[in-house]
Amino acid sequence: AQSVTQPDIHITVSEGASLELRCNYSYGATPYLFWYVQSPGQGLQLLLKYFSGDTLVQGIKGFEAEFKRSQSSFNLRKPSVHWSDAAEYFCAVGYSGYSTLTFGKGTMLLVSP
Amino acid sequence: SQTIHQWPATLVQPVGSPLSLECTVEGTSNPNLYWYRQAAGRGLQLLFYSVGIGQISSEVPQNLSASRPQDRQFILSSKKLLLSDSGFYLCAWSWGETTGTEAFFGQGTRLTVV
Repeated sequence: AQSVTQPDIHITVSEGASLELRCNYSYGATPYLFWYVQSPGQGLQLLLKYFSGDTLVQGIKGFEAEFKRSQSSFNLRKPSVHWSDAAEYFCAVGYSGYSTLTFGKGTMLLVSP
Repeated sequence: SQTIHQWPATLVQPVGSPLSLECTVEGTSNPNLYWYRQAAGRGLQLLFYSVGIGQISSEVPQNLSASRPQDRQFILSSKKLLLSDSGFYLCAWSWGETTGTEAFFGQGTRLTVV
């Protein structure tokens, strides 16, 4: 069965510091990979996606993620975190032929002053 | 452009009462449609999805049901709510012509069963 692991439930980062959120997916066919962000009481917003090609993908709000097939990972990064980035982040994986995505359990990002 | 509307935003219902949450998508045809539930600290739970009118797949057996009476309308229902039905319900859609691609979410409904 497909699965996505986000090993960090909570992460606290100082404002201005760099950020990396980890995501690992279960091995299988070529995955489609996604990162979403959710602010409290809101729906999920797509930050970026990887389908094929360049393994480093750029997204909105200054985020990027790198697909590493050998590690089955798709980690999310941002060079300098802003207080407004505090939210919950979800990694998801999809596969051709499957109508549903599999989501990780999320990582809550807290930004300290 | 495509938009997704989900309502109501907030709902407080007594135990044993019925439920109807509605979701509509504009700007696309034959989308895949989804209902998810979030409970605190438990991530996203896929409840139902639909790849076409009248086609409903249930992921988790429970007190809820879903229907798709029109191409871009998805309804989540219950005949009698339980306390455990409380949570944050999210509707989403994805492109129907492809699979495995991104889902686009509505703003959610906060349901509290009292």
